Amino acid sequence: DTGVSQNPRHKITKRGQNVTFRCDPISEHNRLYWYRQTLGQGPEFLTYFQNEAQLEKSRLLSDRFSAERPKGSFSTLEIQRTEQGDSAMYLCASSSPGGPSDTQYFGPGTRLTVL
Amino acid sequence: GIQVEQSPPDLILQEGANSTLRCNFSDSVNNLQWFHQNPWGQLINLFYIPSGTKQNGRLSATTVATERYSLLYISSSQTTDSGVYFCAVAYLPGGSEKLVFGKGTKLTVNP
Repeated sequence: DTGVSQNPRHKITKRGQNVTFRCDPISEHNRLYWYRQTLGQGPEFLTYFQNEAQLEKSRLLSDRFSAERPKGSFSTLEIQRTEQGDSAMYLCASSSPGGPSDTQYFGPGTRLTVL
Repeated sequence: GIQVEQSPPDLILQEGANSTLRCNFSDSVNNLQWFHQNPWGQLINLFYIPSGTKQNGRLSATTVATERYSLLYISSSQTTDSGVYFCAVAYLPGGSEKLVFGKGTKLTVNP
């Protein structure tokens, strides 16, 4: 069990550019979540997958955001035409419901800065 | 949606002191987790505790689901306990597994 990993850890981009983040969950965890955290706030839910199916999306996830989990393993989060308001920490978590608990385990995050 | 309120927002302690952090939530929950966020942003799981009491070393937590609150106790605090502590819940009526976080308690432990 190597934990949830995320890449890149940091991303600096110019307004209007597209960016893509990757999340690798704990192996055999069938649920994967994306959250966003801005300075001084708690994380906010964006979307989640059970296997390859995207089951819920937040209103925060505008049309410029898209998430995929094509084979039910790793996931990508893409932001098109980035805006300065997209600057935040993007967190990924995974869980395996049906086990001893539905604990969500978080990765180290990708910190996005939009100039 | 469900509301999660944490108190106090800020807490400053001397090393060795004890503290209690509180989390109030506005609806029935099927998941409650406590996290410690370190200075690098990593969320570290402390407890999964939708009800009952658990202990892990110097930390313990109690959730009284019927009264909609949870408490996190830190005893004999150390400087490494500094950081932000978050409570997060998933709520039954929403039928969702997403976690809703409070705004956190920022703990500073001075040597």
